[in-house]
Amino acid sequence: NAGVMQNPRHLVRRRGQEARLRCSPMKGHSHVYWYRQLPEEGLKFMVYLQKENIIDESGMPKERFSAEFPKEGPSILRIQQVVRGDSAAYFCASSPGQRTYSNQPQHFGDGTRLSIL
Amino acid sequence: GENVEQHPSTLSVQEGDSAVIKCTYSDSASNYFPWYKQELGKRPQLIIDIRSNVGEKKDQRIAVTLNKTAKHFSLHITETQPEDSAVYFCAASKGYGQNFVFGPGTRLSVLP
Repeated sequence: NAGVMQNPRHLVRRRGQEARLRCSPMKGHSHVYWYRQLPEEGLKFMVYLQKENIIDESGMPKERFSAEFPKEGPSILRIQQVVRGDSAAYFCASSPGQRTYSNQPQHFGDGTRLSIL
Repeated sequence: GENVEQHPSTLSVQEGDSAVIKCTYSDSASNYFPWYKQELGKRPQLIIDIRSNVGEKKDQRIAVTLNKTAKHFSLHITETQPEDSAVYFCAASKGYGQNFVFGPGTRLSVLP
């Protein structure tokens, strides 16, 4: 029973390059959430997606950042023209779909550590 | 929007003692409160959760209590062990289709 899969685990980019982070949710999960974590800090919500829909992107910077969750394939968090301040751990989480309308826990992947040189 | 505060930020206890971490939330519409444990360099892992129609929930050495009136909820760990050392995060959510708002975390150290 595979959990949430994120790749790559570590990603190094130079300033100005693009970073693409991938997340495959747990089997049967159709909700994906992206969080950012700086060292010694908490988890900051970025974006919440369902298949082919962005539900809430209130935590994502308006420029350079975008996210998608296509009908087929993983969710992708894309950061264009990276800057040093983008260095962080980016975690993806997933939760089940619409069987119930009560909250379901989110299950996290191992994260992608992004380093900007 | 929702704001979640968490105290203390660091906590050291002797092995075998109890540890209590408290969180407060601002939005009375929040109705789901999970707790996550994150070891160094690893993913956050769900350890227990509670919904607003319940006042207390236990799972072996871990318990969570919820006071909706005061808008706070607490994590209790009894008979702590060194492997309990980690950062613990509380979160609050308003329901289906809503993201989680996390507290800033508590670093728990269990001293042998």
